[in-house]
Amino acid sequence: EAGVVQSPRYKIIEKKQPVAFWCNPISGHNTLYWYLQNLGQGPELLIRYENEEAVDDSQLPKDRFSAERLKGVDSTLKIQPAELGDSAVYLCASSSRLGEGGEQFFGPGTRLTVL
Amino acid sequence: AQSVTQLGSHVSVSEGALVLLRCNYSSSVPPYLFWYVQYPNQGLQLLLKYTSAATLVKGINGFEAEFKKSETSFHLTKPSAHMSDAAEYFCAVGLTGGGNKLTFGTGTQLKVEL
Repeated sequence: EAGVVQSPRYKIIEKKQPVAFWCNPISGHNTLYWYLQNLGQGPELLIRYENEEAVDDSQLPKDRFSAERLKGVDSTLKIQPAELGDSAVYLCASSSRLGEGGEQFFGPGTRLTVL
Repeated sequence: AQSVTQLGSHVSVSEGALVLLRCNYSSSVPPYLFWYVQYPNQGLQLLLKYTSAATLVKGINGFEAEFKKSETSFHLTKPSAHMSDAAEYFCAVGLTGGGNKLTFGTGTQLKVEL
């Protein structure tokens, strides 16, 4: 079974440029998460989708960040414009179990460097 | 609200020695607790989880953790460290009634020396 796929793995951009990250969850997983992981820190949830609905986006900086999950499968996270402080690893995860206590499966992440 | 504290951002052990990584949590309702491992340039992989069944939880690669409600702890142990255990370890807490939202600790980098 394929795991969570993310692309690109690495991205270097100039500040004020836009950037997008793509995630393909494990087949059949209804719940998809985007996390931000700063250097030396644990992941922090940005947004959670149940199918195509964003059910928790309280931590997403909506002035510059946006996300979508068309048809409840793949998802894209966008930053426009990027700032120096956005340099981090962006992790995507998915889970299959509705309710709580289910395992989240993580992708390898996209490492963003903003110059 | 929930939170997680991992004591010791860096832990170093000798190969064959006991591994002990500490995690304390704070939550207002019964928690779900997880330990994840992250190898360089990879995503997080689940080691084990506590979901209100047995308090002693066994995971992959010989790791186990014990849920102690009175101490609000969920420490991770392994009797004998192996070089391949060198990685970063994250403790995470989720809440009953909180959906699947996890709050992660800041991580503990485990170094295994010969």
